[in-house]
Amino acid sequence: SSELTQDPAVSVALGQTVRITCQGDSLRTFYASWYQQKSGQAPLLVIYGKNNRPSGIPDRFSGSRSGNTASLIISGAQAEDEADYYCHSRDSSDNHVVFGGGTKLTVL
Amino acid sequence: QLQLQESGPGLVKPSETLSLTCIVSGGSISSSSYYWGWIRQPPGKGLEWIGTMYYSGTTYYSPSLKSRVTISVDTSKNQFSLKLSSVTAADTAVYYCARAYSRSWGDWFDPWGQGTLVIVSS
Repeated sequence: SSELTQDPAVSVALGQTVRITCQGDSLRTFYASWYQQKSGQAPLLVIYGKNNRPSGIPDRFSGSRSGNTASLIISGAQAEDEADYYCHSRDSSDNHVVFGGGTKLTVL
Repeated sequence: QLQLQESGPGLVKPSETLSLTCIVSGGSISSSSYYWGWIRQPPGKGLEWIGTMYYSGTTYYSPSLKSRVTISVDTSKNQFSLKLSSVTAADTAVYYCARAYSRSWGDWFDPWGQGTLVIVSS
């Protein structure tokens, strides 16, 4: 089955833009979805598909894809964006599902 | 607004079977538009997909857990269940249930239940 690779940790200055990436062969076929998980809470969907935000997610969150790499972009990061972020995709060879290892975002 | 709530024992003995139920409220589990999934997260670690099922009973399981996992649905109670047999300490985790969407271009889980911690210990 496929794997999704994320950087373990990323930091961003308050108000700046940050890109969190996710690499995997399945991303050439399927769009990634992205989840925000704050300490002690359940994951929250923030981006799915080409670049879709669920209701209630701020428009500073966006998504993109290039080749085998999906990106979650936070434009103008806020203190409340500090969290773990996970990417997710369907496996390109079957109906299985795979998650990335997660990226811990620190807002400085 | 759809809500999911996991329920089940918080402590399971090694070699026994872990059993959890996800109660769905605010929507029908029999909708043909969705799947339903289980995901777990060991303490301090990342998310791990366990399996996904369609209300008709079609199921997909993680290859690493397939021999021990059963996901089933009870449409009359609007809930679905997870059974994981022969558990060890490595199965200690927060277990989440979630609604799953599947399209030709990708999948996503939304919403998620609040999660329930299951500890495997004698």
